[in-house]
Amino acid sequence: GAGVSQTPSNKVTEKGKYVELRCDPISGHTALYWYRQSLGQGPEFLIYFQGTGAADDSGLPNDRFFAVRPEGSVSTLKIQRTERGDSAVYLCASSLNRYSYNEQFFGPGTRLTVL
Amino acid sequence: AQKITQTQPGMFVQEKEAVTLDCTYDTSDPSYGLFWYKQPSSGEMIFLIYQGSYDQQNATEGRYSLNFQKARKSANLVISASQLGDSAMYFCAMREGGDDKIIFGKGTRLHILP
Repeated sequence: GAGVSQTPSNKVTEKGKYVELRCDPISGHTALYWYRQSLGQGPEFLIYFQGTGAADDSGLPNDRFFAVRPEGSVSTLKIQRTERGDSAVYLCASSLNRYSYNEQFFGPGTRLTVL
Repeated sequence: AQKITQTQPGMFVQEKEAVTLDCTYDTSDPSYGLFWYKQPSSGEMIFLIYQGSYDQQNATEGRYSLNFQKARKSANLVISASQLGDSAMYFCAMREGGDDKIIFGKGTRLHILP
């Protein structure tokens, strides 16, 4: 079956612009996670959804970052007024439910470059 | 304090040899889980192995085993009979108690030499 997909695979934008990154989880997976991976670092947690609601958004760095999952499947990470420091690979992962934490499947990531 | 520490930024190992990648963790929660992920140059994160804090035996998955030393807070990954395809970044990670997020270390880049 299809894995986690993320679009676009690459996004180049200018400082100050707005971007949206999309994640399509594995069908039937209720838990969805966003991580950010800066160059040379491990992934850093941003936000977790259980169904439609954000159950934990403690990793969002500031109020320029926002994520939604209106129908409990596809999720969109939105970044306003992008800054050069936002450049990173944004990873999405999904699991069957919050208890399947040892089975988080990751997407290929979106590489965001802010010029 | 760092929750996950991987002290080896890079390692070079001859093909067919066994490899041990070090990981120490820090938590006061008695219930936690430990993970290892592989990230090839393509960028995807591949789940390798999981160890729960209450598991009595060390986890094994094929050529991967996790050397879990609870008192030392150590969770080293052992890869037996390394292959060229094992060249990648390897991340140790932890999930604490009722938390939903996974905390990752900075990774170890493994190079397998022919």
